[in-house]
Amino acid sequence: ELKVEQNPLFLSMQEGKNYTIYCNYSTTSDRLYWYRQDPGKSLESLFVLLSNGAVKQEGRLMASLDTKARLSTLHITAAVHDLSATYFCAVDRTSYDKVIFGPGTSLSVIP
Amino acid sequence: KAGVTQTPRYLIKTRGQQVTLSCSPISGHRSVSWYQQTPGQGLQFLFEYFSETQRNKGNFPGRFSGRQFSNSRSEMNVSTLELGDSALYLCASSDPKHDGNSPLHFGNGTRLTVT
Repeated sequence: ELKVEQNPLFLSMQEGKNYTIYCNYSTTSDRLYWYRQDPGKSLESLFVLLSNGAVKQEGRLMASLDTKARLSTLHITAAVHDLSATYFCAVDRTSYDKVIFGPGTSLSVIP
Repeated sequence: KAGVTQTPRYLIKTRGQQVTLSCSPISGHRSVSWYQQTPGQGLQFLFEYFSETQRNKGNFPGRFSGRQFSNSRSEMNVSTLELGDSALYLCASSDPKHDGNSPLHFGNGTRLTVT
C-alpha cells in the first residue's frame, strides 16, 4: 500500500530564513505533487514533478524529486509571512491510480 | 474556466440521517475524486470516478457511496451518519492526459457536522 510521510509536521520559522520540508513515499510512483492549504480554504496546486531529478521553482518555493530515494523536498527561501500555510505532498503510482496525500506540514512564518 | 463547485458549503445533520453532496468539475475534466479531511486523519481518499465508472476506491465503509453522471458531475452519499463522519469533504477534478502533467483541482469543500 502506498504511504506518504512528511517531515516535519509542524514548522515555525522566522522571516528571512531558509528551510526544507521533506516528503518520503513507499513505492515507485509516476508523479509527485505539492499543494498548499490556507486555514479554512481548499487546496491549491503548487507543483507537479514527473521525473527523477525534476526541479521546479515558483517565487520563494522550489521543489525537487529523487525517485530512486523516493524523496521530494520543498525548499523555502527567505520566508515571508504570506507563506504561512499547510503544505501537502501527494503521490500516485500511475496516472490511473488514486492520489495519496501526506499528513501535511503546518508552516508558520514569524515576523 | 469556472473552478470546481461543491454544494452545499455547510451541512448540519443528526446521527442516523443520510446526506448527499454534489460536485461539478471543471469543464472538460472527466475524473472526479472525493476526499475526507479531518484534523486527526488528514486527507483520506474516498473514491474516484472517471467517465461514470468508479475507478478507485479508498478504505471507507459501504455507507459511503458515490456516482458520476454523463456530464461528469458527481455526487457522494453517506447513509446512517455517525458523529465521526463530521469532516470537510473535498471534491477534486482532473484532466488525465498522456503527459500526466495534470494536478487535482479542488473545490472549496462541504463542511459536514453530525450532531
